[in-house]
Amino acid sequence: GAGVSQSPSNKVTEKGKDVELRCDPISGHTALYWYRQSLGQGLEFLIYFQGNSAPDKSGLPSDRFSAERTGGSVSTLTIQRTQQEDSAVYLCASSPGTGNSGANVLTFGAGSRLTVL
Amino acid sequence: RKEVEQDPGPFNVPEGATVAFNCTYSNSASQSFFWYRQDCRKEPKLLMSVYSSGNEDGRFTAQLNRASQYISLLIRDSKLSDSATYLCAVNPRYNFNKFYFGSGTKLNVKP
Repeated sequence: GAGVSQSPSNKVTEKGKDVELRCDPISGHTALYWYRQSLGQGLEFLIYFQGNSAPDKSGLPSDRFSAERTGGSVSTLTIQRTQQEDSAVYLCASSPGTGNSGANVLTFGAGSRLTVL
Repeated sequence: RKEVEQDPGPFNVPEGATVAFNCTYSNSASQSFFWYRQDCRKEPKLLMSVYSSGNEDGRFTAQLNRASQYISLLIRDSKLSDSATYLCAVNPRYNFNKFYFGSGTKLNVKP
């Protein structure tokens, strides 16, 4: 597609429920990132995928968080047993991911705003 | 110590003013540098990549100071529409696809 698409745009859930957030990156982009942004805060890195390499999961805050990327394209971020502190905007970004100039410029999706009651 | 640090502001300036922000980074091996703009409740969007020699795009000028490990963004002739949060991002040499973001500097341009 023309841009990075995320769904849902808004999700309200009850504490303890599981949620899935979806990201559809720009076609052809090999690198895909998930970030979290709490109200008034900066971007917190969660995970990134690069082609067929093992993902860098170093930013996942707990084992309740997981992500997968199927077929090198669409990615799903899953949060199990949600807690109130998980409330944030979850941003997905993609980049061309090759070694050329401009290849590591990120394009962000509009985000999924998660509210845990 | 955070990888990237920014003054959160807010910077409140009148229209037409010149304003500058700095962003310091801790890893001297950092390779690529960027400024992103984020409007309220929107996603960040790339404003400028920052090149070693410095670069200019209209009213915006970005500069890199490797010796002191900071990048700067200068906005001349501020417009109301420049009101936003400006995030810097740093990419280390050892990992082309790893980015560290600052927490952003908020700019309010007043009429």
